[in-house]
Amino acid sequence: EVQLVESGGGLVQPGGSLRLSCAASGFTFSSYEMNWVRQAPGKGLEWVSYISSSGSTIYYADSVKGRFTISRDNAKNSLYLQMNSLRAEDTAVYYCARAKGRQYFDYWGQGTLVTVSS
Amino acid sequence: SYVLTQPPSVSVAPGQTARITCGGNNIGSKSVHWYQQKPGQAPVLVVYDDSDRPSGIPERFSGSNSGNTATLTISRVEAGDEADYYCQVWDSSSDHPNVFGTGTKVTVL
Repeated sequence: EVQLVESGGGLVQPGGSLRLSCAASGFTFSSYEMNWVRQAPGKGLEWVSYISSSGSTIYYADSVKGRFTISRDNAKNSLYLQMNSLRAEDTAVYYCARAKGRQYFDYWGQGTLVTVSS
Repeated sequence: SYVLTQPPSVSVAPGQTARITCGGNNIGSKSVHWYQQKPGQAPVLVVYDDSDRPSGIPERFSGSNSGNTATLTISRVEAGDEADYYCQVWDSSSDHPNVFGTGTKVTVL
């Protein structure tokens, strides 16, 4: 059974940092592209970042470029999102999602809540 | 960057058909994917590559895509279909290529 489990969310002050993790199981993690998607309270889905299966290709949304860093450890079946210089508008539930084919997200984690507030 | 526009809300009576549109410039040239999200839950893929359904998704969910509009159609709507629905595309010409639509709240009357 495919499982994606996010962790690392919490309350952080503006300007602070947080590192999210996504533990994958039930599939060959190293063969799949992965993404982070977030959802602010009461708002729609916002794509955050993409990483290729090998980690060689990375993309970011303009809203997080220069502040967030996506990475993966295929040996540990894990995806990460390092978030620096956090702002109130980064407050959201963050989901990791497995990508397949023409970049549709066939499996999602349950999400982890990040709250940026003083 | 590429923009996908959806109506904020669609209301439909049980047993009727709901149609949710997703507008984008020449979206017919892209593959469109659709997600259903119920309150407090992660999104679930309901249609991919314009019109294919993942295993376990009822045949009542179908999709089409042409010109500047993609459409998710829910036939014989049930109370359990009440949710938010999002379209999504991969814009290969962009360096921020994944784009979600603005989302549509489907209300079953």
